[in-house]
Amino acid sequence: SAVISQKPSRDICQRGTSLTIQCQVDSQVTMMFWYRQQPGQSLTLIATANQGSEATYESGFVIDKFPISRPNLTFSTLTVSNMSPEDSSIYLCSAASGGKVGELFFGEGSRLTVL
Amino acid sequence: SQKIEQNSEALNIQEGKTATLTCNYTNYSPAYLQWYRQDPGRGPVFLLLIRENEKEKRKERLKVTFDTTLKQSLFHITASQPADSATYLCAPANSGNTPLVFGKGTRLSVIA
Repeated sequence: SAVISQKPSRDICQRGTSLTIQCQVDSQVTMMFWYRQQPGQSLTLIATANQGSEATYESGFVIDKFPISRPNLTFSTLTVSNMSPEDSSIYLCSAASGGKVGELFFGEGSRLTVL
Repeated sequence: SQKIEQNSEALNIQEGKTATLTCNYTNYSPAYLQWYRQDPGRGPVFLLLIRENEKEKRKERLKVTFDTTLKQSLFHITASQPADSATYLCAPANSGNTPLVFGKGTRLSVIA
């Protein structure tokens, strides 16, 4: 199993600013992902964080808006850039270990409110 | 395009009864399907995984079925308890290397 810590757990941000969310896993994992969950909605995949290379973004998400880093097998960051109120959401980091079919582990999420 | 439909947004049942949640998918040929539980303010937690060649999987009071002909998975909680109240999400996947896409979830409320 893997334990995932995210910070900040919540933040209130001003329009036009950027915020970086950190995700730390307690063990090496092969795959890490970032999801967004808007109020009352299910999870939407933003991107796969690739270790040592550029992230793979899903349709509707771009690197300029959501730059992602993954410098090693236990850590990733997601930046939400030039925020607007529409970016108010919970951002969730997740990881899969072992490179095989299996469960995803999730962090507790980072709740961002943009004013 | 690929679509995942979970039968209803909310389901209320009496304590002790069996809860049955439905997950239908289109434009997928999933090699496996996963079910997760999410409590308010928390990240999802993995419950069960069922592979395409398995018809049924059980874990304690949970049972999952997988019908690739109907393109449907059913998730059952027997002898339900108020502590089972949560949102349940399904996620079919075509292979082990693709990131999971989740259905909208069904919010289950078990009433004492």
